[in-house]
Amino acid sequence: DIVMTQTPLSSPVTLGQPASISCRSSQSLVHSDGNTYLSWLQQRPGQPPRLLIYKISNRFSGVPDRFSGSGAGTDFTLKISRVEAEDVGVYYCMQATQFPFTFGGGTKVEIK
Amino acid sequence: QITLKESGPTLVKPTQTLTLTCTFSGFSLSTSGVGVGWIRQPPGKALEWLALIYWDDDKRYSPSLKSRLTITKDTSKNQVVLTMTNMDPVDTATYYCAHDYVWGSYRYNLDYWGQGTLVTVSS
Repeated sequence: DIVMTQTPLSSPVTLGQPASISCRSSQSLVHSDGNTYLSWLQQRPGQPPRLLIYKISNRFSGVPDRFSGSGAGTDFTLKISRVEAEDVGVYYCMQATQFPFTFGGGTKVEIK
Repeated sequence: QITLKESGPTLVKPTQTLTLTCTFSGFSLSTSGVGVGWIRQPPGKALEWLALIYWDDDKRYSPSLKSRLTITKDTSKNQVVLTMTNMDPVDTATYYCAHDYVWGSYRYNLDYWGQGTLVTVSS
């Protein structure tokens, strides 16, 4: 199985300031078709996860443009340009390049 | 509009078999590329992918749980059923189902999720 490792575990952020979350995979996520199936999901308190970003950097429908994804190979980053109160929650990276799909351990974004 | 909803028992005893149903709308499991997956989340912990079934009946399982899991679909009822045998207290978790789509390099993996159902394993 591909192991996904996220840092930091927790990210206290001031409202309006940026936040950044890193995700590293134990092996390259480049698929044989040339694409990289790395997604980011947000889980607000008491809610199910919600897809934010797919294929490294593509925002899913309805996702604000303050969320952006980048990276390649084994190293990926989710950035929130200006954190808003509604962004509080846990963020997970997920790889779907290879079965079984695997998730990172999660990064909690909270307001200072 | 895609929606999914999980249903099943909230409490099961150790060694029993858990049967969960995912009832969905807004898509069909007879459409090429479409899939439905199951993911679980123990209280306060991270997500764990369990299984996925595609429109062509291709089934994928978590290797660590494969011997205990069975996933099936009923296209006419818009339902996917997950069974897990020999339940243990460590299987206590919220179980989610989610929509998936794979058609060549067009992929939207786990893009819509149900609200989840909490299953407690206790005697």
